[in-house]
Amino acid sequence: QKEVEQDPGPLSVPEGAIVSLNCTYSNSAFQYFMWYRQYSRKGPELLMYTYSSGNKEDGRFTAQVDKSSKYISLFIRDSQPSDSATYLCAITTSYGKLTFGQGTILTVHP
Amino acid sequence: DTGVSQDPRHKITKRGQNVTFRCDPISEHNRLYWYRQTLGQGPEFLTYFQNEAQLEKSRLLSDRFSAERPKGSFSTLEIQRTEQGDSAMYLCASSLVDRREQFFGPGTRLTVL
Repeated sequence: QKEVEQDPGPLSVPEGAIVSLNCTYSNSAFQYFMWYRQYSRKGPELLMYTYSSGNKEDGRFTAQVDKSSKYISLFIRDSQPSDSATYLCAITTSYGKLTFGQGTILTVHP
Repeated sequence: DTGVSQDPRHKITKRGQNVTFRCDPISEHNRLYWYRQTLGQGPEFLTYFQNEAQLEKSRLLSDRFSAERPKGSFSTLEIQRTEQGDSAMYLCASSLVDRREQFFGPGTRLTVL
């Protein structure tokens, strides 16, 4: 079993839809959570960082963490074609290496 | 504030050859990380440095792989006697020593023929 599980999709939604992306993890020592966006053949770009259970909002993006269930989510409101990318969750225990999910491929069509 | 840069962006080599990649982190970042990403997968950790000290290495980093950060600034990742299984995107990231967020470069795409 992988330490971080993420449904690879692909996920296809119409423009304007609300997108929900999810990861589960197995190690309760994981305490810090990030979401990255990766366009094709580019490096990952940090979108959100959070360390506590609950919600964190930044513009159209909301990161949600439920440590009791070991479940994290990223919501994208009013999705745009430019949001089409691979979304990666990344989790860490402390300073040091990130453990990534497989990534979810998202396509937002006009 | 310039981001993380990597060179080259693409490398094609024949099996058995040695290759070296370079990473320049964000200037004030003390920590530098190397990851490898294969198609359809998330990045996998290889190793990281704090200043010039290599603090952790993954078991993915076989003895054919070596990384250095001699002056605590740029880093190099060398792969000796490349194999077709080494074909991947090699990503470098950097962070401040007291921050967990890591910022990635564009990657070096390696193809081993």
